[in-house]
Amino acid sequence: AQSVTQPDIHITVSEGASLELRCNYSYGATPYLFWYVQSPGQGLQLLLKYFSGDTLVQGIKGFEAEFKRSQSSFNLRKPSVHWSDAAEYFCAVGRGKLIFGQGTELSVKP
Amino acid sequence: SAVISQKPSRDICQRGTSLTIQCQVDSQVTMMFWYRQQPGQSLTLIATANQGSEATYESGFVIDKFPISRPNLTFSTLTVSNMSPEDSSIYLCSVEGPRGVFSTDTQYFGPGTRLTVL
Repeated sequence: AQSVTQPDIHITVSEGASLELRCNYSYGATPYLFWYVQSPGQGLQLLLKYFSGDTLVQGIKGFEAEFKRSQSSFNLRKPSVHWSDAAEYFCAVGRGKLIFGQGTELSVKP
Repeated sequence: SAVISQKPSRDICQRGTSLTIQCQVDSQVTMMFWYRQQPGQSLTLIATANQGSEATYESGFVIDKFPISRPNLTFSTLTVSNMSPEDSSIYLCSVEGPRGVFSTDTQYFGPGTRLTVL
């Protein structure tokens, strides 16, 4: 069955600290992988995507993600978190029909 | 860049009534989708809105409850019919393609419609 797991429901990091949000997927075909961010009361904004090629992808707002086929993972990272990064982050997989993880809520401490 | 808008942005409705949500894009798109995000939950695809033909519904969603129209390549509506409090959710439309406006195989989301059913 196709699924996405984001093991961390809520993460709190200090401003300026590094961040890693975990995402594991189960998908029968070659996965198309995405990270979206949702700020309170907003829609989803695409941060980055992976289809093929270089397994380390760069996105907007200083985010990057690394695809690891052997671990079925697509973790999102940022070297230095800003207070404005506080939001809900969703990992998704698929073509056409996107399957979303449950989301990780990020809080940023001053 | 192209803009996706939804109307209304939020609404409070009485049970048993229906609400139609509009999704408008300022350029032609290849694909349009409707998702539901229940409180504190992730997103679930309701259906793919097909231009000029009936929408393709996902398991657990039916046309009588969620009729969808897509009369052209820039506009779609989702109706939530005979509403109950369980329908309280955020409803989001997303679009995909064509290359050069929106990337293919990548979905871009509207701002969402927050629906509360009393």
